[in-house]
Amino acid sequence: QQQVKQSPQSLIVQKGGISIINCAYENTAFDYFPWYQQFPGKGPALLIAIRPDVSEKKEGRFTISFNKSAKQFSLHIMDSQPGDSATYFCAALTGFSGNTPLVFGKGTRLSVIA
Amino acid sequence: DAMVIQNPRYQVTQFGKPVTLSCSQTLNHNVMYWYQQKSSQAPKLLFHYYDKDFNNEADTPDNFQSRRPNTSFCFLDIRSPGLGDAAMYLCATSRADSYNEQFFGPGTRLTVL
Repeated sequence: QQQVKQSPQSLIVQKGGISIINCAYENTAFDYFPWYQQFPGKGPALLIAIRPDVSEKKEGRFTISFNKSAKQFSLHIMDSQPGDSATYFCAALTGFSGNTPLVFGKGTRLSVIA
Repeated sequence: DAMVIQNPRYQVTQFGKPVTLSCSQTLNHNVMYWYQQKSSQAPKLLFHYYDKDFNNEADTPDNFQSRRPNTSFCFLDIRSPGLGDAAMYLCATSRADSYNEQFFGPGTRLTVL
């Protein structure tokens, strides 16, 4: 119930292509869905986040698509660049109290090749 | 710049020798977290503080302890490190009145010999 399932585990995309990472959840109480980007040897950094009252959120080349009925959300990286090569984690959260921990997906290692 | 600072960045210890990792923050966030991250895995929450209230995850081994002497600092103590405790340890902070955007530090890479 608490899991967030993320796929694929790894992804290789040509420079300029679209990277797509998918996540699915079961717990309908989740109401905040962030994506974190992590470079090797660094801590994760918040990339973009969405709440379930909208179906899409776009920030620059990064877009989250959210399907509440299917309990799925995805990250799209347009015009992928070698600098986007990193591990991406989707996550989910219940509540607003600040006292409920994030539930992370297992991560996707993205490699963008020239 | 406001940030989350972890020291040291790299720590080498011997099997069974206690070690302490430190985290400080200038964000004035009231929630602080400790995560363990092993290679190619997601961060795993060990425990977190909501102000002074300590919240331990059910599967966090007793070997791991934490202290938060004030709002800015939090420590992770590993009483008797085993080889399986070698990992990256991440500290994160968040405000309790937001949708829990967590700000992560750069991590401490722990090696156990």
